[in-house]
Amino acid sequence: QQQVKQSPQSLIVQKGGISIINCAYENTAFDYFPWYQQFPGKGPALLIAIRPDVSEKKEGRFTISFNKSAKQFSLHIMDSQPGDSATYFCAASIDERDSNYQLIWGAGTKLIIKP
Amino acid sequence: GAGVSQSPSNKVTEKGKDVELRCDPISGHTALYWYRQSLGQGLEFLIYFQGNSAPDKSGLPSDRFSAERTGGSVSTLTIQRTQQEDSAVYLCASSLGTVSGANVLTFGAGSRLTVL
Repeated sequence: QQQVKQSPQSLIVQKGGISIINCAYENTAFDYFPWYQQFPGKGPALLIAIRPDVSEKKEGRFTISFNKSAKQFSLHIMDSQPGDSATYFCAASIDERDSNYQLIWGAGTKLIIKP
Repeated sequence: GAGVSQSPSNKVTEKGKDVELRCDPISGHTALYWYRQSLGQGLEFLIYFQGNSAPDKSGLPSDRFSAERTGGSVSTLTIQRTQQEDSAVYLCASSLGTVSGANVLTFGAGSRLTVL
């Protein structure tokens, strides 16, 4: 119930292509869905996040698509660049006062953009 | 500080020794998390501090692991009698805590622990 399943585990995309990473969840109480980006030797950093009142959120080349009925959300990276090569984590939490805002993390996707 | 600071960045120790890892969260962040990340793996939750509430220790893998947070700021993760399987990167994160919508975690760069 608390799991967030992320796929694929690893992904290789040509420069300029579209990278797509998918996540699925079970707990319908989740209402905050962030994506974190982690470069080697660094901690993860928030990339983009979405709440279930919208089906899509776009920030530059990064887009989250959210399908509430399917309990799935995905990260799309348009015009993928070698600098996007990193590990991406999806997560979910219940965003309400007095919850502990614990993020439930996906297992991560190692993305490699080939020049 | 401007970010979450962790020390040491690298620690090599012998099996059976105790180690202490330190985390300085962002000033004003009431929530503090410790995670463990084994090589090429995901984030394993260890412990969570929120203000003056009792910490959520549900992720600690054994009683060799403990953590404290003094004065609601600096936290220390202690691993006693280290084992080779404890080798990993230990990540600390902080956030504004219980303010709705403020559950954005800022991570430190991590402490890489190698147990020989």
